[in-house]
Amino acid sequence: EPEVTQTPSHQVTQMGQEVILRCVPISNHLYFYWYRQILGQKVEFLVSFYNNEISEKSEIFDDQFSVERPDGSNFTLKIRSTKLEDSAMYFCASKLRERETQYFGPGTRLLVL
Amino acid sequence: AQKVTQAQTEISVVEKEDVTLDCVYETRDTTYYLFWYKQPPSGELVFLIRRNSFDEQNEISGRYSWNFQKSTSSFNFTITASQVVDSAVYFCALSGNTPLVFGKGTRLSVIA
Repeated sequence: EPEVTQTPSHQVTQMGQEVILRCVPISNHLYFYWYRQILGQKVEFLVSFYNNEISEKSEIFDDQFSVERPDGSNFTLKIRSTKLEDSAMYFCASKLRERETQYFGPGTRLLVL
Repeated sequence: AQKVTQAQTEISVVEKEDVTLDCVYETRDTTYYLFWYKQPPSGELVFLIRRNSFDEQNEISGRYSWNFQKSTSSFNFTITASQVVDSAVYFCALSGNTPLVFGKGTRLSVIA
């Protein structure tokens, strides 16, 4: 069964460093998302991406964040200068059509020291 | 604005008991979708069910059942004869013309 994959599974970085989180969505899906979950809290929407551009973003997704689909398979989230409060689990999700179910990847656990 | 409320923060049950997880939602969209996801201790989000706003039929899948009531804006989830493997955090989520909005989750502990 096709699934969303994410790498790395864990990342530890120093405050101020740049990190890139990678996702490979399900191959024929057209809509892509990033969410984050601070430890013990709910899952929060960051950004959605469709047709090679951001379709919606939340207040959390400030200028420190960017997304890219550099080729036909990868979808990346970059945090330019990490802060302590960026420590969280980051989930990538994808779906086939607009009103379909989003399927989530296993997440990347980011720890900023 | 969309909102999902899961009032039960934590529930503990003994194995084989039935347990119901509550979910109440708010939306102004006329067409929307409701979801339940399971997050086991390993951390991934596992899709369980999706329900359209125009389909109020209850659904049963094995030991799982869902009760959708538009009149009370609720989408409750029942696990029958709970097992230790059901221990996880369960999230209810809502999607209309917006990305998914999650509730805060209910941590279910099933004790052997």
